[in-house]
Amino acid sequence: GDSVTQMEGPVTLSEEAFLTINCTYTATGYPSLFWYVQYPGEGLQLLLKATKADDKGSNKGFEATYRKETTSFHLEKGSVQVSDSAVYFCALITNTGGFKTIFGAGTRLFVKA
Amino acid sequence: DTAVSQTPKYLVTQMGNDKSIKCEQNLGHDTMYWYKQDSKKFLKIMFSYNNKELIINETVPNRFSPKSPDKAHLNLHINSLELGDSAVYFCASSGDPGGNQPQHFGDGTRLSIL
Repeated sequence: GDSVTQMEGPVTLSEEAFLTINCTYTATGYPSLFWYVQYPGEGLQLLLKATKADDKGSNKGFEATYRKETTSFHLEKGSVQVSDSAVYFCALITNTGGFKTIFGAGTRLFVKA
Repeated sequence: DTAVSQTPKYLVTQMGNDKSIKCEQNLGHDTMYWYKQDSKKFLKIMFSYNNKELIINETVPNRFSPKSPDKAHLNLHINSLELGDSAVYFCASSGDPGGNQPQHFGDGTRLSIL
């Protein structure tokens, strides 16, 4: 079935370091891909999305490119801040068995000052 | 204005009790969801409703019963609570699940079973 695999955390970085969180997917057809962020004590919020191959989603300095050939959607940020500490979820919308969003397991990011 | 609101935020109760969690969205969305997030942050869909009709029902014990009185509300009732039900429950909504519309989440209800 359709699935999302993302790198295990936690990821610990110093402020201003470069961030990559890997995400790969398995899906039939052409799913839309998303990154969500969850700050402590809150629900998930959409961070960025891409709806077709080679699309680049970007928001708040974060970027991810929809790579169909490698079935990947890696999240990157050039210079992280302490305020970026959160849990990041990669997700896709599948139409297998009814339209639903499938989430990865989440990657916790800690950024130290 | 809170887009997706769920109450209560915290719920502490004893095993065997029955409890409900309420969810309301003011975004005009047709589709609403309930998710369960465990202690390791793994997020699992439980139910999805579209225009008050059930469209997704994952393998959830029948002690869990969603109810949608109108498309802006999706409540979750849980009978005979068990220790394993302890988790954070999130309500969400979206405008078009078949398209590219993201989901909007509430802040969660932390359920603790004693």
